[in-house]
Amino acid sequence: NAGVTQTPKFQVLKTGQSMTLQCAQDMNHNSMYWYRQDPGMGLRLIYYSASEGTTDKGEVPNGYNVSRLNKREFSLRLESAAPSQTSVYFCASRDPGQLGAKNIQYFGAGTRLSVL
Amino acid sequence: DAKTTQPTSMDCAEGRAANLPCNHSTISGNEYVYWYRQIHSQGPQYIIHGLKNNETNEMASLIITEDRKSSTLILPHATLRDTAVYYCHHNDYKLSFGAGTTVTVRA
Repeated sequence: NAGVTQTPKFQVLKTGQSMTLQCAQDMNHNSMYWYRQDPGMGLRLIYYSASEGTTDKGEVPNGYNVSRLNKREFSLRLESAAPSQTSVYFCASRDPGQLGAKNIQYFGAGTRLSVL
Repeated sequence: DAKTTQPTSMDCAEGRAANLPCNHSTISGNEYVYWYRQIHSQGPQYIIHGLKNNETNEMASLIITEDRKSSTLILPHATLRDTAVYYCHHNDYKLSFGAGTTVTVRA
């Protein structure tokens, strides 16, 4: 089982460049998430998609856009990269089921992004 | 927004039990408590979850207070490989994570 796959693993951008981070899951999960993690800090939610066709902002959405392409794929786009977006980006998925039911999040290995 | 409070860091001797506390006073009646850990900046991995009863699996035990406002994750015999950042949370939809507890297991 591949689980959650993120590409690329590493990326270096110049200020103002654009790029898309890709995420795919093969667990048939309804919900998908994008987080960023800065050194010494926890994970902050950028955007999430509760189900195919829907997306919502998290804590830190500014400077990012997302697309839930289908049930499997959820991409994160940086239209004009800034040095403040240097971070490690994690994608996650889960199947919420009923409220309060067992619904574990599964994470990808991360994309390490540097913006110069 | 749901908020959890965890100590910033904790040291533990190899072979001893590590008890990691978490306060989650805003938890609602039907929200589960989840624990994850993150090793060496890898993606976080699920450890255990619970609603109100104590839980145990092959990795850890989870003790939840009767009022459900706090919980403790117990690593019964910590090993060097348990050195990681440990997160607890209970927000059912937005699932943001706090800074967690950095646990260092020392030989």
